[in-house]
Amino acid sequence: DVQMTQSPSNLAASPGESVSINCKASKSISKYLAWYQQKPGKANKLLIYSGSTLQSGTPSRFSGSGSGTDFTLTIRNLEPEDFGLYYCQQHNEYPPTFGAGTKLELK
Amino acid sequence: QVTLKESGPGMLQPSKTLSLTCSFSGFSLSTSGMVVSWIRQPSGKSLEWLAAIDWDGDKYYNPSLKSRLTVSKDTSNTQVFLKITSVDIADTATYYCARRPPIAAISLYVMDAWGQGASVTVSS
Repeated sequence: DVQMTQSPSNLAASPGESVSINCKASKSISKYLAWYQQKPGKANKLLIYSGSTLQSGTPSRFSGSGSGTDFTLTIRNLEPEDFGLYYCQQHNEYPPTFGAGTKLELK
Repeated sequence: QVTLKESGPGMLQPSKTLSLTCSFSGFSLSTSGMVVSWIRQPSGKSLEWLAAIDWDGDKYYNPSLKSRLTVSKDTSNTQVFLKITSVDIADTATYYCARRPPIAAISLYVMDAWGQGASVTVSS
């Protein structure tokens, strides 16, 4: 299975700031990486797939980049609703696998 | 509006069979390209993809759990089921079902709509 390593595990920031979350695959997954947001009491939300394609409804302050083994989720001008858990997931090969998650907290 | 809702026993004993149901609306599993997956998450841990079934009835399983999993769907294509045999404490988790988005050529394993999850505790 492809191992996904996310960093950092925790991240503290203030509204208006920009943050980046990294995800590294144990082997090349081409561009096939998705990012999800998880918040208590809400359904998990698909933000980005295929590395950089924004899912319908994802605000433009979110962006994804990378290919091969190294990927980054960047959130610019943080809004209060952006705080929560973020997971990367490779969707290049079977079985799909997730990173350990990054908790984005309010500073 | 697309909605998915998981249901299960809440608690069961080790060695029993766990049966989960995913009831959904806003789409049909009979639509070409549609896929529903099951994913689980132990408390405080990451997500683990378990299985999926597609519109044609093809089934996909995580190799690490394949011998214990059975995914199926109902004839009305509005429910998907997951059975896990011989459960133990390590199967304690929140179980989610999720849908593949209806986007041409997108991977089977991207999931755009998720249920809120069903909590399952395995305990004697």
